[in-house]
Amino acid sequence: AQSVTQPDARVTVSEGASLQLRCKYSYSATPYLFWYVQYPRQGLQMLLKYYSGDPVVQGVNGFEAEFSKSDSSFHLRKASVHWSDSAVYFCAVSYAQGLTFGLGTRVSVFP
Amino acid sequence: DTTVKQNPRYKLARVGKPVNLICSQTMNHDTMYWYQKKPNQAPKLLLFYYDKILNREADTFEKFQSSRPNNSFCSLYIGSAGLEYSAMYLCASSRDGTHANTEVFFGKGTRLTVV
Repeated sequence: AQSVTQPDARVTVSEGASLQLRCKYSYSATPYLFWYVQYPRQGLQMLLKYYSGDPVVQGVNGFEAEFSKSDSSFHLRKASVHWSDSAVYFCAVSYAQGLTFGLGTRVSVFP
Repeated sequence: DTTVKQNPRYKLARVGKPVNLICSQTMNHDTMYWYQKKPNQAPKLLLFYYDKILNREADTFEKFQSSRPNNSFCSLYIGSAGLEYSAMYLCASSRDGTHANTEVFFGKGTRLTVV
């Protein structure tokens, strides 16, 4: 069975600083990996996805993620965060009939 | 319009009473999903429709029903609500649910409180 682990429940970062959110997955087949973000009072929105090719994928709003097969990881990064990046970020693996999510990481950006 | 709409946004229900949640999308997506999200837990897939075929997860098989009268609408039905059903219910859709790399679009959710 597939699983996703996001070890950090909360991350606090200053505006303009860099951000890295960790994600590790467990899946027997080729993983299709996603990062979703949930802003306050909004639905989940896809930031980026990976299923093959260059292990570094670019997403919206300056986010990128790096896939590592050897480490079973798909970490999310942003070079310089803005206060509007405050949200809950979910890593997910797709198994053709739905998504398996991690618990999410709540990011708080302070000025 | 890439939105999935859910009604209502908030719902209060009594223990033992039925609950019906509504979802719609106008993207002509063939697959619609229902997820349950409780505080400090990951969103959990309850069931999904691929076209007219309903697939329910094994551990929620008896607890939730659903219908999809047409391509755009999907409902989630709880026959007799219990306190444990209090949660956020997320509806989602995708263009091709048979492929794992397809993007899934989510609604804003319906927060159900059972008292």
